[in-house]
Formats: sequence, C-alpha cells, structure tokens
Amino acid sequence: EIVLTQSPGTLSLSPGERATLSCRASQNINYNYLAWYQQKPGQAPRLLIYGAFRRATGIPDRFSGSGSGTDFTLTVSRLEPEDFAVYYCQQYDTSPFAFGPGTRVDIK
Amino acid sequence: QVQLVESGGGVVQPGRSLRLSCTVSGFTFSRYGMHWVRQGPGKGLEWVAVIWYDGSKEYYAESVKGRFSISRDNSENTMYLQMNSLRGEDTAIYYCARGDENSLDHWGQGTLVTVST
Repeated sequence: EIVLTQSPGTLSLSPGERATLSCRASQNINYNYLAWYQQKPGQAPRLLIYGAFRRATGIPDRFSGSGSGTDFTLTVSRLEPEDFAVYYCQQYDTSPFAFGPGTRVDIK
Repeated sequence: QVQLVESGGGVVQPGRSLRLSCTVSGFTFSRYGMHWVRQGPGKGLEWVAVIWYDGSKEYYAESVKGRFSISRDNSENTMYLQMNSLRGEDTAIYYCARGDENSLDHWGQGTLVTVST
C-alpha cells in the first residue's frame, strides 16, 4: 500500500506570493499516476493536476505540477484570493488509491 | 455538461445498512471507471472504492472491505454503494467521482451519511 505524506500541513502566504506544496510517497509511483486536487469549504474537490504535471481542463496556468518517483510538487506561481483552500495529492497507480492528508493554504 | 448526483444518505443506527446511488449525465457512463470517496467531519479525503467501466473489477479501502460493496448499472447510468454493518467512523460526506485513468476529473456534490443511535 502506497502512503502519501504532504508538507507543510499549513502554509500561510499573502496574495501574489508563490506557494510550493510537497507530496511524498512511501514507494515509487509508476507512470506518474499522481494527481492534485483543490477543495474549498463546503465544496467538492476539484481536479487540478493529473499525471504529475498535466493541468486539468480549465485550470489556470499559475498552477503547475512536477516530480516523479516518490517526490512531487504543486506550485502556485502567484496566489490569487480564490486559491486559498486545502490541497490534496492522490496516487492512482495502485489500489488503494489513497489521498495525502492535505495542505491548507491560508491568508497570512 | 457532466453531472453526478448522489442520493440515499441519511441517519442510520450502528450495525444497520444503507445504499447510496450516484446518477450521472452528460457523458457515456459505460466508458468510465467510477469511484466513491468520503470525508468525515473536519477530516481529509478518504478513497473508498472503485469499479471498472464494465463492472469487471472492484477495489476497496481496507477500512470498508467486507462491509461495503460497489456496483453499477450501465443501462441506468447509475452507480451504487451498498454499506452494511455501519459504524460511527463511517459518518461522512460520500462523494462519487468519475475516473479518468483513475484520476478523479468530475465529482458530485456529496451525500451525508450519519451513523448514530
């Protein structure tokens, strides 16, 4: 079973700043089957990135994903007010398709 | 447009059963794997189960294996989650989601299941 850890737990930043979120897997994730989701309070999650670096439909290019193997990163180049939310990574290489515990990005 | 609508949630006593439904529209249901994901109050996302596009394979989280069963009816564009022997820790919002190579590209708004006496 692949276990994901995310860091930091909380990131306090100001609008316009760069956010760098980390997701680490307990074992290698094949085919870069790693996705990132954004969730705002009271809403369902939204797919941002799949295949480690591919942006989902309609996702602004300030969101980017990178990494391979066991270490992955989500970067938001310049935070907009609507980007303050919780972000989850998920591996979909091997069942169970677990999520990481999440990183909360809040306004400093 | 793609829509997923969950139903069947509610309050249920521990040890009892409940069946959730997810009815979809706006895409060819029979071409996609489908997932259930849940979120306990104030907690993170927990993947629950997946069923292959043709119903040929199912996988479950360890926490629900042997108690929950996922199924689908491609003629009705509907997926189900049969939940038996419910426990307090099963209390959560249950989301259905479409799988695109198992990344979850569309989600429903969720249905709340509360397990309580």
